Amino acid sequence: DVKVTQSSRYLVKRTGEKVFLECVQDMDHENMFWYRQDPGLGLRLIYFSYDVKMKEKGDIPEGYSVSREKKERFSLILESASTNQTSMYLCASNSRLVGGWYGYTFGSGTRLTVV
Amino acid sequence: GQQVMQIPQYQHVQEGEDFTTYCNSSTTLSNIQWYKQRPGGHPVFLIQLVKSGEVKKQKRLTFQFGEAKKNSSLHITATQTTDVGTYFCASKTSYDKVIFGPGTSLSVIP
Repeated sequence: DVKVTQSSRYLVKRTGEKVFLECVQDMDHENMFWYRQDPGLGLRLIYFSYDVKMKEKGDIPEGYSVSREKKERFSLILESASTNQTSMYLCASNSRLVGGWYGYTFGSGTRLTVV
Repeated sequence: GQQVMQIPQYQHVQEGEDFTTYCNSSTTLSNIQWYKQRPGGHPVFLIQLVKSGEVKKQKRLTFQFGEAKKNSSLHITATQTTDVGTYFCASKTSYDKVIFGPGTSLSVIP
């Protein structure tokens, strides 16, 4: 069964801490994405990557960075966690199809609480 | 920027009733995808529509893409409690970047 695996289901961190959220996919997908999901705001794109060592800003990149050193792994970094970054974080991946677009496969999500 | 809107935001139905959610855009969409997210779960890809006027069915679910490619609908016939969740539409705006609608939350009363 193909998978996108996020390292933690629940995470509690203190304000100011550096936080790493890890995502691994086993489908050999080129594209990987980080979203955050908040009630009333839906899914918002933070960063995405369409190749190793490539990254593109999404709609809300402030306060975040990403790393993609290997094709299967895409990490989201909160440089200095703040309480307004308390959220559900969802990683997703899909395959690049010339002229087309495959549906996303999402991970199970990491619910991050910053106290 | 391009946006997709969904109506209704919430829908409560009696089990066995039908349900429809609509996805609308002010601009022409190249394609549309639908996702389902169960309570406490993550979005799961259901289907993609590409052609104008396209209709696809998955058991009790019928998906339609408008003739002008500015709207789409998801219709569930005879809802069951397993249909509970939030249904999102999504459209690709540029190179592999996707915009999600805000979702329609469906509750089914047994």
